[in-house]
Amino acid sequence: GAVVSQHPSRVICKSGTSVKIECRSLDFQATTMFWYRQFPKQSLMLMATSNEGSKATYEQGVEKDKFLINHASLTLSTLTVTSAHPEDSSFYICSAPRTTSGSTDTQYFGPGTRLTVL
Amino acid sequence: GESVGLHLPTLSVQEGDNSIINCAYSNSASDYFIWYKQESGKGPQFIIDIRSNMDKRQGQRVTVLLNKTVKHLSLQIAATQPGDSAVYFCAEVFSGGYNKLIFGAGTRLAVHP
Repeated sequence: GAVVSQHPSRVICKSGTSVKIECRSLDFQATTMFWYRQFPKQSLMLMATSNEGSKATYEQGVEKDKFLINHASLTLSTLTVTSAHPEDSSFYICSAPRTTSGSTDTQYFGPGTRLTVL
Repeated sequence: GESVGLHLPTLSVQEGDNSIINCAYSNSASDYFIWYKQESGKGPQFIIDIRSNMDKRQGQRVTVLLNKTVKHLSLQIAATQPGDSAVYFCAEVFSGGYNKLIFGAGTRLAVHP
């Protein structure tokens, strides 16, 4: 079954509004989570690393004031797209590493959130 | 055969044939690589991984080959089935820590009956 969930799965909003996307690890704790963005027919691009208890680390070219990340607990990270515009329309995916055998971490991805800004 | 689409290259194969999907990575210091399968409208799904101290690893119907000399990965799928139709991405784990994944461009696999 799913080990990482996202909510909502789809959201349509008007230009200028803010949208919050939640990412939850379901049966494990994740001090780090990752947020990706994927445009149609393209690859996943890492936006930022969400760190529990500290500030997120943003990739080059990603506006931290535009994409607010809050790692509220060991099982929840949120991405808020502020003052959304049509060019922010995309598929947003989160992932969380889970330690399996020994020290090996496996990245589990959420099902993604389709954001459409009108 | 292979063709290049607008963004994603596409590999078309007949059901039952073997598929080979290729990927070039960028960072010679990366020491861990993963193949993911992504179906339309869903998040990536882990297929198989390989560490840089290996050059081949086999799973169920899948084999990953790693050539560190030319920074190249391949994913081989045996007896390709219609359910294998999806986009396949290779990812390298950023050696700087935090398990950060850098994804390759992706290849769409289309399996025809």
